[in-house]
Amino acid sequence: EVQLVESGGGLVQPGRSLRLSCAASGFPFDEYAMHWVRQVPGKGLEWLSGISWNSINRGYADSVKGRFTISRDNAKNSLYLQMNSLRSEDTALYYCAKDNDRDYGGHLDFWGQGVLVSVSS
Amino acid sequence: QSVLTQSPSASGTPGQRVTISCSGSSSSIGSNYVYWYQHLPGTAPKLLIYWDNQRPSGVPDRFSGSKSGTSASLAISGLRSEDEADYYCATWHDSLNGWVFGGGTKLTVL
Repeated sequence: EVQLVESGGGLVQPGRSLRLSCAASGFPFDEYAMHWVRQVPGKGLEWLSGISWNSINRGYADSVKGRFTISRDNAKNSLYLQMNSLRSEDTALYYCAKDNDRDYGGHLDFWGQGVLVSVSS
Repeated sequence: QSVLTQSPSASGTPGQRVTISCSGSSSSIGSNYVYWYQHLPGTAPKLLIYWDNQRPSGVPDRFSGSKSGTSASLAISGLRSEDEADYYCATWHDSLNGWVFGGGTKLTVL
C-alpha cells in the first residue's frame, strides 16, 4: 500500500524559512517522480513543484519559483520542500504526491494527507 | 483565478446523474490528458479518472470521464451520499510547463 506522510509544518513568521518532508513507503520510491501541491484554506489545489526520479528534472510554479526548492533522497525514501522568504499567502495545507512516471509529467496518482503551514507574525 | 474553469457547485439527489465540467485551452486540455480527483477536506485527494476516461482499480464504474476539444466532464451516475465531496480536474499546461488544476466543484447530495 502506497503511503505518503508529510511533516515539518507549523507556524512561522513572514520572511523566515521552513523545510517540509515527505516519507514514502509501499512502492519503489527511486523509480517515480514526486510532487508538492498546496491548498490555501477555502481555495482549490495548486501545483507547486515536481522532481524526476533521479532529481535531474525539476519544475516550479511561478508563484514559488526562486523561493522554494524541491529535492529528494532516494536512499531515505524521502521528498523535501525547502521554503524560503515565506509570505502570509503561503499559508496552506501542503500535500506530497507521487507521479505514475519517472518524470513529473505523468500524473499524480497517490497523495498524502497534508501538513499545515501557517505564516504569521 | 484557476487556469482551468469549473463551476463552484453542483448538486443532485440520491440515484441521480450529475455532470461536472472543466474548461481549459489549447495549451492545456486541448493537447493533454485530463485527470479528475475527489477530495474530502482534511484527507488525501483520490484519483478518480486518468487519461481522460480511465478508472483506476477500485473506482466504481458510476464515475466516468470524457473530453471534447478544450473541455472535459466528469459524470457520476447513481449518486450516493458518500459522493459528497470536492471534485477537481487537472492537466499538464504546455505554456506554463507544469500542472494546473480547476478551482474545484463542491458536490452536494440533497
